[in-house]
Amino acid sequence: EPEVTQTPSHQVTQMGQEVILRCVPISNHLYFYWYRQILGQKVEFLVSFYNNEISEKSEIFDDQFSVERPDGSNFTLKIRSTKLEDSAMYFCASRSTGGNQPQHFGDGTRLSIL
Amino acid sequence: GIQVEQSPPDLILQEGANSTLRCNFSDSVNNLQWFHQNPWGQLINLFYIPSGTKQNGRLSATTVATERYSLLYISSSQTTDSGVYFCVWGQAGTALIFGKGTTLSVSS
Repeated sequence: EPEVTQTPSHQVTQMGQEVILRCVPISNHLYFYWYRQILGQKVEFLVSFYNNEISEKSEIFDDQFSVERPDGSNFTLKIRSTKLEDSAMYFCASRSTGGNQPQHFGDGTRLSIL
Repeated sequence: GIQVEQSPPDLILQEGANSTLRCNFSDSVNNLQWFHQNPWGQLINLFYIPSGTKQNGRLSATTVATERYSLLYISSSQTTDSGVYFCVWGQAGTALIFGKGTTLSVSS
């Protein structure tokens, strides 16, 4: 069964540095999402992306964050000038077109800011 | 905003016991998914069930969309069932909203 792939599985970064989290969605999917889960809390929506532009974003997704689909297979989340509170598990998800379809999640990237 | 309420928040079971997890949501639904988050943090998709009933081995799920609730039933629980179970709500094309989860601990 096709999977959403995320790399790296764990990223450790110094506060103030930039990080790029990478995702390879399922190949025929056209809707892409990022979610975040701070340790011990529920999963929260960050942003959705379709047709090379952001279609929806949450209050969390401020100017510190950006997303990009640099080629036909990757979908990235960039966090500029990381803060301690950015430490979390970040999940990528994708969905196919055609009415109501489930979102498929990757295994997540655990981001630790020191 | 949309409310997704899960109960109970915590559940402790002996191996072999059955359990029912409940999810209430405050608005109509097109996308209802159940996930199991394992100890490594991975979200394992259990069911996509915007309506009706599905079964997969020892697990089954039912969503009654008109009454805005969904149930996840675990039979003959095993220690590997331990983890957090999330109910996730969505409408067509929108972001998913996760409940706070039910933390299940199964002891041998």
